Amino acid sequence: AQTVTQSQPEMSVQEAETVTLSCTYDTSESDYYLFWYKQPPSRQMILVIRQEAYKQQNATENRFSVNFQKAAKSFSLKISDSQLGDAAMYFCAYRSADSNYQLIWGAGTKLIIKP
Amino acid sequence: NAGVTQTPKFQVLKTGQSMTLQCAQDMNHNSMYWYRQDPGMGLRLIYYSASEGTTDKGEVPNGYNVSRLNKREFSLRLESAAPSQTSVYFCASSEGGKGHSNQPQHFGDGTRLSIL
Repeated sequence: AQTVTQSQPEMSVQEAETVTLSCTYDTSESDYYLFWYKQPPSRQMILVIRQEAYKQQNATENRFSVNFQKAAKSFSLKISDSQLGDAAMYFCAYRSADSNYQLIWGAGTKLIIKP
Repeated sequence: NAGVTQTPKFQVLKTGQSMTLQCAQDMNHNSMYWYRQDPGMGLRLIYYSASEGTTDKGEVPNGYNVSRLNKREFSLRLESAAPSQTSVYFCASSEGGKGHSNQPQHFGDGTRLSIL
């Protein structure tokens, strides 16, 4: 069975600096998708970025980028120029490319932004 | 654009009471999901519906039932609430189906449920 591990329960960063959140996963599959979701205090789950395993190029969305290392089964999220609005819980999730619809979630990392 | 709408947002129940959490989506998605979120843990899938007319158990289905009423609506029922079911419940929807695994799930705002 697939598992997703986020080893950092909490991270803090100074406003305007860069922070990297870690995520590792375990799978025997070769085709899958990876996601980072953000959950601010409002509780809503918001998609930040996604990565297809078959793509070698790392995904980027404005200030958010990933470092996808398929062989190492690592999928870290880098947030550049951190802003106060980035404060939230961040969840990493895995989804198989087959007809299984489940997302497998990590336990989350709480990101604190220091003004 | 409402997206995924959950009702109620908050609820307090006594042990043994029953209730139904409602979820509706207006994105014409095929697949819908119910999760629970507990402190220090990621989301855990309770039930999902790959398409209208089908439902399947997820990771933690015990104590729950679901109904996919139509393509838009997917309800979650607690028949006899227990304190262990105190949690935040999220409904989500997605395109679903093979060829759509890269599509993200869209979430409602959650229901905070307390069982006394």
